[in-house]
Amino acid sequence: QKEVEQDPGPLSVPEGAIVSLNCTYSNSAFQYFMWYRQYSRKGPELLMYTYSSGNKEDGRFTAQVDKSSKYISLFIRDSQPSDSATYLCAMTNTGGFKTIFGAGTRLFVKA
Amino acid sequence: GAGVSQSPSNKVTEKGKDVELRCDPISGHTALYWYRQRLGQGLEFLIYFQGNSAPDKSGLPSDRFSAERTGESVSTLTIQRTQQEDSAVYLCALHQGGLTGELFFGEGSRLTVL
Repeated sequence: QKEVEQDPGPLSVPEGAIVSLNCTYSNSAFQYFMWYRQYSRKGPELLMYTYSSGNKEDGRFTAQVDKSSKYISLFIRDSQPSDSATYLCAMTNTGGFKTIFGAGTRLFVKA
Repeated sequence: GAGVSQSPSNKVTEKGKDVELRCDPISGHTALYWYRQRLGQGLEFLIYFQGNSAPDKSGLPSDRFSAERTGESVSTLTIQRTQQEDSAVYLCALHQGGLTGELFFGEGSRLTVL
């Protein structure tokens, strides 16, 4: 079993839709949960991070962590074509070393 | 990505040849990672350097893979006797420090083994 499971998609939605991206994990030691966005032929960039359980909102993006279920989510409201990218969940234990990544979900937002 | 330069950006080689990939941190960071990303897949941890400590090599897939780094400077990832399954994007990332573990990635070196 992989430490982090993420559906690779692809996921195709119309512009303006609400997008839900999810990951499950198995290691209860993970404390920091992150979402990276990767555009084609570029390196990943940190989009959001959350410590432990709870929600965090940044503009059109909301990250949720449920440690009891070992389940994390990223919601994108009013999705835009510029949101088209691969979204990778990532997590690490305290100290931030040896980050483990999910497979990434490819998202296409159609104009 | 800002702060990380990788070369070459693209490398095509024949099976059995050795390749060397380079990561050049523009600014000093103590922690440096190498990840591999196969087509359509997530990032696979390869190796991690932290200052002068012994590197964590637990992700290297075989003894054909090796990496070096001197201090907080350039790192090189070497793949000997390349195989077709080595074809992937090899990403270097810097850890800025702090509890969140944010990683700053280079744009990667795309390796194709024919």
